[in-house]
Amino acid sequence: EVQLVESGGGLAQPGRSLRLSCAASGFTFEDHAMHWVRQAPGKGLEWVSGISGNTRRIGYADSVKGRFTISRDNAKNSVYMEMSSLTTEDTALYYCARGFNWNLYFMDVWGKGTTVTVSS
Amino acid sequence: EIVLTQSPGTLSLSPGERATLSCRASQSVISRYLAWYQQQPGQAPRLLIYGASIRATGIPDRFSGSGSGTDFTLTITRLEPEDFAVYYCQQYGTSPALTFGGGTKVEIK
Repeated sequence: EVQLVESGGGLAQPGRSLRLSCAASGFTFEDHAMHWVRQAPGKGLEWVSGISGNTRRIGYADSVKGRFTISRDNAKNSVYMEMSSLTTEDTALYYCARGFNWNLYFMDVWGKGTTVTVSS
Repeated sequence: EIVLTQSPGTLSLSPGERATLSCRASQSVISRYLAWYQQQPGQAPRLLIYGASIRATGIPDRFSGSGSGTDFTLTITRLEPEDFAVYYCQQYGTSPALTFGGGTKVEIK
């Protein structure tokens, strides 16, 4: 069974950092891009970042560029999101999602999400 | 950045009726690189359509997508109770930068 399990969410103060992780199973991890998509309370979906299967293509939303860093470890079937200089605008449910193929296109499998709350 | 505008914001319909959802892009989406997702309350999104009109695995044929350029449509021919949800479009023509639309809520009238 294809599965994505996010972890690392929690409460962080403005200006601090947080690292999200996503453990994948049930498929050949390196064959798929991986994405982070967030959803603020009561709001719509916002694509945050994505990384191709071979890590050569990486993209970020303008809202997080320079503050968030995506990475992956194909040996551990995991993708990560290092978030720094957090603001209250980063408060959201963060979903890990699998790309349909190795490229940064669309997402065909989603995790249940991990909640990040930025507050003093 | 391509901005996707979905309309209407809310669609009030009865089971069995036809739903037509619009997604308009601020500039042309190359190669019809547009996907649609459904999100039920408290759940993660589910992929419905990609390539503007290709149904994802397991998606019923009452869901169909059409369009090209800047105008795209998701049609649900006969609404089932489980279809009442929020629907999002997403473009990947400007990969590696991707964007979602603001969503359309389909609610029971």
